[in-house]
Amino acid sequence: NAGVTQTPKFQVLKTGQSMTLQCAQDMNHNSMYWYRQDPGMGLRLIYYSASEGTTDKGEVPNGYNVSRLNKREFSLRLESAAPSQTSVYFCASTPVRAGAVNTGELFFGEGSRLTVL
Amino acid sequence: GENVEQHPSTLSVQEGDSAVIKCTYSDSASNYFPWYKQELGKRPQLIIDIRSNVGEKKDQRIAVTLNKTAKHFSLHITETQPEDSAVYFCAANTDKLIFGTGTRLQVFP
Repeated sequence: NAGVTQTPKFQVLKTGQSMTLQCAQDMNHNSMYWYRQDPGMGLRLIYYSASEGTTDKGEVPNGYNVSRLNKREFSLRLESAAPSQTSVYFCASTPVRAGAVNTGELFFGEGSRLTVL
Repeated sequence: GENVEQHPSTLSVQEGDSAVIKCTYSDSASNYFPWYKQELGKRPQLIIDIRSNVGEKKDQRIAVTLNKTAKHFSLHITETQPEDSAVYFCAANTDKLIFGTGTRLQVFP
C-alpha cells in the first residue's frame, strides 16, 4: 500500500516549456487535490476533483490544467511554464467526497519540486 | 471564498513551555478545522481536527479550541519537546480545504 505517489520528485524547466505532474493513490479515495507550497504562503489549492470525471478550480488555478483520468489518478499540467510557477507541488487525497460536511484527513504525496528558469 | 489567517508566522519557545497558534476564518459556513504538522522536507500530516459542533478537543499534549461566534480557532501544545519543531498549518473547510500560511515553531532544549 503506497498511499499517494507523485512523479517526478524534481524537475527543472525553461520558461515556456510544458510538463505534467502525475499523481496516483491506491486507497480508493474519492477526492483528490493539487496544492502548491511557497515560502510564507502556506499551501494554496490549485484544483481539486470530488470524484472521477469532475474537476473544480481552487484558489490559484491560472496557468494550470488538470485531468482526473480515473479514480486513482489526478494529473496537473503546466502548458507554458513561468518562473512564478517555481514551487513545491503536493497532491493529496481523501476518502470523503469534496463538499461533504467535513473533508476528512488529507493524505499527501511526498511533493514535487519544480524550478522554472 | 474562504480565507484563513494564521498567527504568528514564527514562534520560538523553550523546551517544556507551552505554544499557542491562532487562526481566523472568514466563511461562517466552515464546519471542519484540522491542523497539520510538516517537518522539514516532509509532507504535511494531520495531528488533530475539530468539528463545528465541538468547542474543544484534546489529544495528549495537543489541544484545539474553536469559537464559532468569533470565527477563530487555536492550537495549544503543552510541555513542548524539540521534536515538536516543525511548521504547523491550520485549515478550514466548506466544500474544499483552505490552509493558513503556516507557523514555524522552534523548540529550544
